[in-house]
Amino acid sequence: KAGVTQTPRYLIKTRGQQVTLSCSPISGHRSVSWYQQTPGQGLQFLFEYFSETQRNKGNFPGRFSGRQFSNSRSEMNVSTLELGDSALYLCASSSEQEKLFFGSGTQLSVL
Amino acid sequence: GENVEQHPSTLSVQEGDSAVIKCTYSDSASNYFPWYKQELGKRPQLIIDIRSNVGEKKDQRIAVTLNKTAKHFSLHITETQPEDSAVYFCAASNRGGADGLTFGKGTHLIIQP
Repeated sequence: KAGVTQTPRYLIKTRGQQVTLSCSPISGHRSVSWYQQTPGQGLQFLFEYFSETQRNKGNFPGRFSGRQFSNSRSEMNVSTLELGDSALYLCASSSEQEKLFFGSGTQLSVL
Repeated sequence: GENVEQHPSTLSVQEGDSAVIKCTYSDSASNYFPWYKQELGKRPQLIIDIRSNVGEKKDQRIAVTLNKTAKHFSLHITETQPEDSAVYFCAASNRGGADGLTFGKGTHLIIQP
């Protein structure tokens, strides 16, 4: 069974731009969660989608948004990028609400 | 919301010795406690998890203990090997809660040859 796939692997953007990250979950998994990982703050929960609906949301500004498609694939969007948004963005899928399997992440650098 | 504290931030042990990483949580409603291992440049991988109706769980050289009264849980690795070197994260969640998994800040485990 293929694992969680995230694209692209690396992204370089400038302040003020927007970015879209993509995540394909493990086949059969309907829950997709997104986390931001930085050296200072560790892993922080962004949001979780299940059956195309946002079910849970972390404490991030509205510039961070996401969506899930009928095939469970998910996208995450960050608008008006700030330097502090530079991080590794990890997607995780689950067949239950808790056992998460992570992708390799998208490393976003904002210049 | 939930807050998870993890200690130590760095742990260096001799190969073959045991390693213990400790976490505390704040929300008494939390009932699921996974541990993830992240090697340099790789994805976090679930290595063991425990639910609040269980006090201890073992999987070969790895064990996790949970003390619900004190709201702390620990990861124990015995007979450490070089491939155990990684960053380990503990996490907590309340099934059905709004916060997803809340992670500790991580422990960098270094196995000295």
